[in-house]
Amino acid sequence: AQTVTQSQPEMSVQEAETVTLSCTYDTSESDYYLFWYKQPPSRQMILVIRQEAYKQQNATENRFSVNFQKAAKSFSLKISDSQLGDAAMYFCAYRSGATSGSRLTFGEGTQLTVNP
Amino acid sequence: DAGVIQSPRHEVTEMGQEVTLRCKPISGHDYLFWYRQTMMRGLELLIYFNNNVPIDDSGMPEDRFSAKMPNASFSTLKIQPSEPRDSAVYFCASSLGRGQWGSNEQFFGPGTRLTVL
Repeated sequence: AQTVTQSQPEMSVQEAETVTLSCTYDTSESDYYLFWYKQPPSRQMILVIRQEAYKQQNATENRFSVNFQKAAKSFSLKISDSQLGDAAMYFCAYRSGATSGSRLTFGEGTQLTVNP
Repeated sequence: DAGVIQSPRHEVTEMGQEVTLRCKPISGHDYLFWYRQTMMRGLELLIYFNNNVPIDDSGMPEDRFSAKMPNASFSTLKIQPSEPRDSAVYFCASSLGRGQWGSNEQFFGPGTRLTVL
């Protein structure tokens, strides 16, 4: 079974600075997808960024980028120019590529605080 | 598009009562997922459907939990009888299958916060 581990329960960053959230996963599959979701106090789960395992290029979405190290099974999220609105719980998630709609396996989450 | 709709947003009930959570997926999506979020166990999948058919219910904790999807636009998650340890936030999510290489993003509803006294 796949597992996802986020070793940082809490992180903090100063506004406008850069922060990196860590995620590691364990799988025997070669085809899979990785995601970062953001959950603000409203509880809504919002997709931040996704990475296809077959792509070597790291995904980027505006101020959000990932460092995907397939051999190391590492998938970290970098938030540049942090904003107060980035404060939330961040979840790393794994999905098998074996079937179209398989489950997401989530990490424990990292609570990000942005200090003004 | 209204997104995934869940009702109610909050539910408070007493132990032993039946609870029914409802979900309307995004129109056209063919996968529907029920997740539960607790402090102790984090986010975990309970069950998911493809074209209204349950595919994997291995996450359903016990027989007190049941889920149905009578049509493509509606699903229910029922707990009978409810217990205090069922208190959690229950999320419904839907996605559109695009074949093996699709990213199949899952769109989440706002969740139902269930409190069982």
